[in-house]
Amino acid sequence: QKEVEQDPGPLSVPEGAIVSLNCTYSNSAFQYFMWYRQYSRKGPELLMYTYSSGNKEDGRFTAQVDKSSKYISLFIRDSQPSDSATYLCATSGAGSYQLTFGKGTKLSVIP
Amino acid sequence: GAGVSQSPSNKVTEKGKDVELRCDPISGHTALYWYRQSLGQGLEFLIYFQGNSAPDKSGLPSDRFSAERTGGSVSTLTIQRTQQEDSAVYLCASSLRGRTEAFFGQGTRLTVV
Repeated sequence: QKEVEQDPGPLSVPEGAIVSLNCTYSNSAFQYFMWYRQYSRKGPELLMYTYSSGNKEDGRFTAQVDKSSKYISLFIRDSQPSDSATYLCATSGAGSYQLTFGKGTKLSVIP
Repeated sequence: GAGVSQSPSNKVTEKGKDVELRCDPISGHTALYWYRQSLGQGLEFLIYFQGNSAPDKSGLPSDRFSAERTGGSVSTLTIQRTQQEDSAVYLCASSLRGRTEAFFGQGTRLTVV
């Protein structure tokens, strides 16, 4: 079992839809959770960072962590064509600097 | 600089040649990482530098790969005797000391022909 599992998609939604992106992880030591957005032929861009369980909101983006089920989510409200990208989840343990990434979900928002 | 800078952005090399990839981290960031992203794969950790401490080289896939960081700033990843399976995007990231959030550069797309 991979340490972080992420459905690669592709996921296609109409503009304005609510998007739900998800990852599961197996290592209960993971404490830090991140979402990165990666446009084609660009480097990953840090979108959201959360510590332990709970929700964090930033504009149209909400990150959610449920450590009891080892499940992390990113919600995008009022999705825009500019949100079309690959979204990568990443985790790390306390005192660890090494990030473990999911393989990414490719999202297309259709105008 | 404003962000992590990597050069070159693209590199095509012949099998068996050596290549050097450069990374200039965000000013003030003491931690520097190299990751590799292959087609259809997630990001794979290669090496980590923190200040003047000995680097964590546990992710380097073979002894053909090496990296150094001079003066606690710029880093160079060297791949000797390149093979076709080395073709990938090599990403550099940096972070503040003690912080997990890593900020990535645009990457170097390496193609070995």
